[in-house]
Amino acid sequence: KAGVTQTPRYLIKTRGQQVTLSCSPISGHRSVSWYQQTPGQGLQFLFEYFSETQRNKGNFPGRFSGRQFSNSRSEMNVSTLELGDSALYLCASSTPGAYGYTFGSGTRLTVV
Amino acid sequence: QKEVEQNSGPLSVPEGAIASLNCTYSDRGSQSFFWYRQYSGKSPELIMSIYSNGDKEDGRFTAQLNKASQYVSLLIRDSQPSDSATYLCAVNPQAGTALIFGKGTTLSVSS
Repeated sequence: KAGVTQTPRYLIKTRGQQVTLSCSPISGHRSVSWYQQTPGQGLQFLFEYFSETQRNKGNFPGRFSGRQFSNSRSEMNVSTLELGDSALYLCASSTPGAYGYTFGSGTRLTVV
Repeated sequence: QKEVEQNSGPLSVPEGAIASLNCTYSDRGSQSFFWYRQYSGKSPELIMSIYSNGDKEDGRFTAQLNKASQYVSLLIRDSQPSDSATYLCAVNPQAGTALIFGKGTTLSVSS
């Protein structure tokens, strides 16, 4: 059974650019959650999508957005990148009745 | 603001000892509790879940939950160098909401 797949694994972007990250959940999982992980702040919740609808949202600025497609794949977009956006971005999938998340390998974003 | 607190460590234990990791949470109504292990450079991996007061054992791992004290712990018996990692406590305040993570405790097991 394939796990959660995140692409790309690594990204280097320049301040002011925008970036799109992709996440394919475990087959049959309809919930996808996104987290930002930095050494100082730990894992911080960005948003969660379930059946193409944003169900929960964390305290991030509007530059951070996401969406989910009918096949449950999800993308997150960060516009007008700032140096502080450098982080590991983790996607996790889950299914109703199983409360634990399964994480993907993450996308390491570096903003220069 | 719902919070999950953990001591950052590092917690250092010798091989074969018991490692005890602790976590407190602020939302008294929280229902589900999880421990994740994260090796350096890797993503978090779920190792234990617990939903009711008491102990839950799985191999060398025991999760303990005390809802009255808003306290969750993870015991690792017979600690091995391969257990050296950051352990993240996560709490689900209620069904349909996002998991809230603590910042993690770094465990170092010396041989």
